[in-house]
Amino acid sequence: EDQVTQSPEALRLQEGESSSLNCSYTVSGLRGLFWYRQDPGKGPEFLFTLYSAGEEKEKERLKATLTKKESFLHITAPKPEDSATYLCAVLVGAAGNKLTFGGGTRVLVKP
Amino acid sequence: KAGVTQTPRYLIKTRGQQVTLSCSPISGHRSVSWYQQTPGQGLQFLFEYFSETQRNKGNFPGRFSGRQFSNSRSEMNVSTLELGDSALYLCASSAASGGGTQYFGPGTRLLVL
Repeated sequence: EDQVTQSPEALRLQEGESSSLNCSYTVSGLRGLFWYRQDPGKGPEFLFTLYSAGEEKEKERLKATLTKKESFLHITAPKPEDSATYLCAVLVGAAGNKLTFGGGTRVLVKP
Repeated sequence: KAGVTQTPRYLIKTRGQQVTLSCSPISGHRSVSWYQQTPGQGLQFLFEYFSETQRNKGNFPGRFSGRQFSNSRSEMNVSTLELGDSALYLCASSAASGGGTQYFGPGTRLLVL
């Protein structure tokens, strides 16, 4: 069975204190790995898609990387507005759009 | 472009009732997927519709069903509601069914009493 595990479950950071979130996966036939950000009471907001090991994507203070077993989301010099739950999801199988999500990492950035 | 819209945003129902939720995808998108989000189970895939056909189905009982119309709008129905069906129901749209990015709507918060 496809499994996606995110760690840590929660992360408290001081403003400016860089850190990394981990997403490890055990799947057959990875077609893509997605990172989303979710604010309380809202739907997930798309951040990145990674398709192959070695790929990296950047957006403002966020950088996502992918290896054969895991992905990292690096937050550089975070600001309070980066506080959110970060979700990773994998797309596997031959076809279709079924995403399997990890449990998420709740990030709180204190000023 | 307008994003994914879901109606209603909030619903309160009682056990045994049924409910219908609606999702309008981004203009031009033909794939609509539904997910259930709960504190205990996280985000779980319900089903995907593409060109009015169900492409994938998650591990949910038959009380959960859906459909898609020719304009790509989708509805999901839950019959004989149970307390455990209380959740945030999210709809995501994608241009195609081949693994492209899925964009989520704001969700419908369902509370079953």
